[in-house]
Amino acid sequence: DTAVSQTPKYLVTQMGNDKSIKCEQNLGHDTMYWYKQDSKKFLKIMFSYNNKELIINETVPNRFSPKSPDKAHLNLHINSLELGDSAVYFCASSALNSGYEQYFGPGTRLTVT
Amino acid sequence: TQLLEQSPQFLSIQEGENLTVYCNSSSVFSSLQWYRQEPGEGPVLLVTVVTGGEVKKLKRLTFQFGDARKDSSLHITAAQPGDTGLYLCAGLGGGYQKVTFGTGTKLQVIP
Repeated sequence: DTAVSQTPKYLVTQMGNDKSIKCEQNLGHDTMYWYKQDSKKFLKIMFSYNNKELIINETVPNRFSPKSPDKAHLNLHINSLELGDSAVYFCASSALNSGYEQYFGPGTRLTVT
Repeated sequence: TQLLEQSPQFLSIQEGENLTVYCNSSSVFSSLQWYRQEPGEGPVLLVTVVTGGEVKKLKRLTFQFGDARKDSSLHITAAQPGDTGLYLCAGLGGGYQKVTFGTGTKLQVIP
């Protein structure tokens, strides 16, 4: 059974385009996250939602807009893509009663050309 | 801003050797998590340490949380090729119980 899934796995697009990444978790967790992992493998939190409410919004360009239609889904929409947006984006989920241990999806490798 | 520095950044060793990875910060964390990430996959949780001075063992892996809850270490005994991967520490703390990830240690175990 897939715990945290995200689509697509790979995304290649041109500068200036708009794209979305979708994430779903079936763990019953109440908190979901988006992370960006750069080419040096540094994993940085971008956003966090708790029961559909935005609770963490790091210094991220406003071209990035997360949306959580329900607590099992968290999507990421990116407008006007730039070369520097190329990275691997991970969705994760956690639960308060498990100490916010992170359960990650398989990642979406975004390449902007 | 909470920062977690890991050392070494890269480690290439022969099968059977022992190694230690360090995770250091000037900030205090509620707990410290360790993850392993393999190429093309998301990080997978190995262990969480909560109490200052706590030691946890997971087969050949030994995790320790510093007394002041600012640092942690991961010791691997008799490394195996299957231990190869990116090891990430992550501290829980700050507003909204944010998890901050360390800079990572890339381990390669050569058969």
